[in-house]
Amino acid sequence: DVKVTQSSRYLVKRTGEKVFLECVQDMDHENMFWYRQDPGLGLRLIYFSYDVKMKEKGDIPEGYSVSREKKERFSLILESASTNQTSMYLCASSSGMAVYGYTFGSGTRLTVV
Amino acid sequence: TQLLEQSPQFLSIQEGENLTVYCNSSSVFSSLQWYRQEPGEGPVLLVTVVTGGEVKKLKRLTFQFGDARKDSSLHITAAQPGDTGLYLCAGGGYNFNKFYFGSGTKLNVKP
Repeated sequence: DVKVTQSSRYLVKRTGEKVFLECVQDMDHENMFWYRQDPGLGLRLIYFSYDVKMKEKGDIPEGYSVSREKKERFSLILESASTNQTSMYLCASSSGMAVYGYTFGSGTRLTVV
Repeated sequence: TQLLEQSPQFLSIQEGENLTVYCNSSSVFSSLQWYRQEPGEGPVLLVTVVTGGEVKKLKRLTFQFGDARKDSSLHITAAQPGDTGLYLCAGGGYNFNKFYFGSGTKLNVKP
């Protein structure tokens, strides 16, 4: 069964901490994405990557960075966590063919206190 | 401002009823997808439609892509409690397979 695995389901961090969210996929997909999901706002794209070491800003990249050193792993970094980054974070991957859509991980619910 | 507007935002119905949810945009999309998300999980792809006017059926679910490729609808016949979840539409093109998501319709089907 193909999978996107996010390292943590729940995280609680303090304001100002550096936070790493990890995502691994086993489908050999080129494209990987990080979204955040907030009630009433839907999924908003933070960053995406279409190849190893390549990254592109999404719609809300401020306060975040990403790393893709290996094809299967895409990490989201909160440089200095703030309370307005409390959210559900979803990682996804895709083959690049629209018909197959995205495969999402189960999400990481991050609370910044 | 959302690129894709979904309506209604919330829907609570009895088992056996029919329902339709809508996804509208002023933009044209090359393709449109529907996902269902259950609490505590990531969205799961239900269908992708790529041709204007296309209709796809998945058991009791019927998906339609508008002729102008700006809107879509999802119709569920004889809803069941297992249909409960958040339904998300996503429109996109072929550039890096990047899709824009609507804010979703939260469906609750009561037994």
